[in-house]
Amino acid sequence: DAGITQSPRHKVTETGTPVTLRCHQTENHRYMYWYRQDPGHGLRLIHYSYGVKDTDKGEVSDGYSVSRSKTEDFLLTLESATSSQTSVYFCAITEKQVPTDTQYFGPGTRLTVL
Amino acid sequence: AQSVTQLGSHVSVSEGALVLLRCNYSSSVPPYLFWYVQYPNQGLQLLLKYTSAATLVKGINGFEAEFKKSETSFHLTKPSAHMSDAAEYFCAVSHNAGNMLTFGGGTRLMVKP
Repeated sequence: DAGITQSPRHKVTETGTPVTLRCHQTENHRYMYWYRQDPGHGLRLIHYSYGVKDTDKGEVSDGYSVSRSKTEDFLLTLESATSSQTSVYFCAITEKQVPTDTQYFGPGTRLTVL
Repeated sequence: AQSVTQLGSHVSVSEGALVLLRCNYSSSVPPYLFWYVQYPNQGLQLLLKYTSAATLVKGINGFEAEFKKSETSFHLTKPSAHMSDAAEYFCAVSHNAGNMLTFGGGTRLMVKP
């Protein structure tokens, strides 16, 4: 357990509404990530952060934005949700380890866009 | 660019049989390789990771994986399947020590009594 929580755990929303998902960590990790999980695609990186106010795009960033104003919180926002954004969203952190850093994942948020 | 291919989106074995889940990667530099397991309605849990210290890596729950550079493979095995092993398994690759993982599509393991 890397001290990662996600909220909400489940959300149903309608097309066109804004949605914000929250990832919270308690262990002061520098790197945080947002992934989406879809059948047959594994996990795909949406955005990541390498420090407060430092973020960058991943493989599937269109339609998503992120913010990190505090070390412990990484927010993922869907400005105008679409049905194609129905998915399970996972937050992750990188824990510094020897000889190799390792990513650990939160419990996930299941988002349904109707 | 790096990519990961997991052959077989679904694998079914009998309880007590050998488990073999396949993972092949492409990477332009020596990779870091990981296997994660996802139980229903849960997040991903680290099973094991390859760090170049040894080609045969032992993980949790009796799983192990062997790195074969010549075959660009990192297959996951377990000598004897348990019912509790039923889950989805993901192989992932990184070229910068745990950051920026690229995942395979996943393999769902079913264990028959």
